[in-house]
Amino acid sequence: EVQLVESGGGLVQPGGSLRLSCAASGFTFSTYWMHWVRQAPGKGLVWVSHISTDGSVTNYADSVKGRFTISRDDAENTLYLQMNSLRAEDTAVYYCVRSSWYLNNWGQGTLVTVSS
Amino acid sequence: DIVMTQSPDSLAVSLGEGATINCKSSQSVLRSSNNKNHLAWYQQKPGQPPKVLIYWASTRESGVPDRFSGSGSGTDFTLTISSLQAEDVALYYCQQYYSTPYTFGQGTKVEIK
Repeated sequence: EVQLVESGGGLVQPGGSLRLSCAASGFTFSTYWMHWVRQAPGKGLVWVSHISTDGSVTNYADSVKGRFTISRDDAENTLYLQMNSLRAEDTAVYYCVRSSWYLNNWGQGTLVTVSS
Repeated sequence: DIVMTQSPDSLAVSLGEGATINCKSSQSVLRSSNNKNHLAWYQQKPGQPPKVLIYWASTRESGVPDRFSGSGSGTDFTLTISSLQAEDVALYYCQQYYSTPYTFGQGTKVEIK
């Protein structure tokens, strides 16, 4: 069974940093592109970033470009999202997602709250 | 960026009746290299992550009831629930995976009338 378990969320002050992790199991992690998608409270879904199977290709939403970095550790079956210079508008549940073109498996999400 | 626009924002349907959600993309999501529409539909229930229902615009994900169907091509797409069940109350999103940034529609809330 595919499992994606996010961790690392919490309360952080504006301008601060946070690193999210996503532990993957139940599939061959290294053979899938992986994504982060976020959802602000009561709002819709917003794609944040993705990373290719070998990590050589990464893309970001304009709203996070230059502040967030996606990475992966295939030996540890873990996806990461390093988030710097956090803003109030980054407050959201962050989902780790496996894709086969479309977004076919989602984690339960981890809540990031940016507030003073 | 490709803008995805869903209609309506919400709809209330009687149990057993049909429901139709439309999704329009600002540019075609039909890729000529594979002749596939890069369009998916997701269902999200309160407190849960989204779950894929339909991909390639009309392929039903394994385990999804056959009352859910997708159609359309190019820029205009439809998700149809043929006979609404109580467990179908949820938010529904379309999403294009034709080009980054992958974008979602604003969501359509389906309720029981």
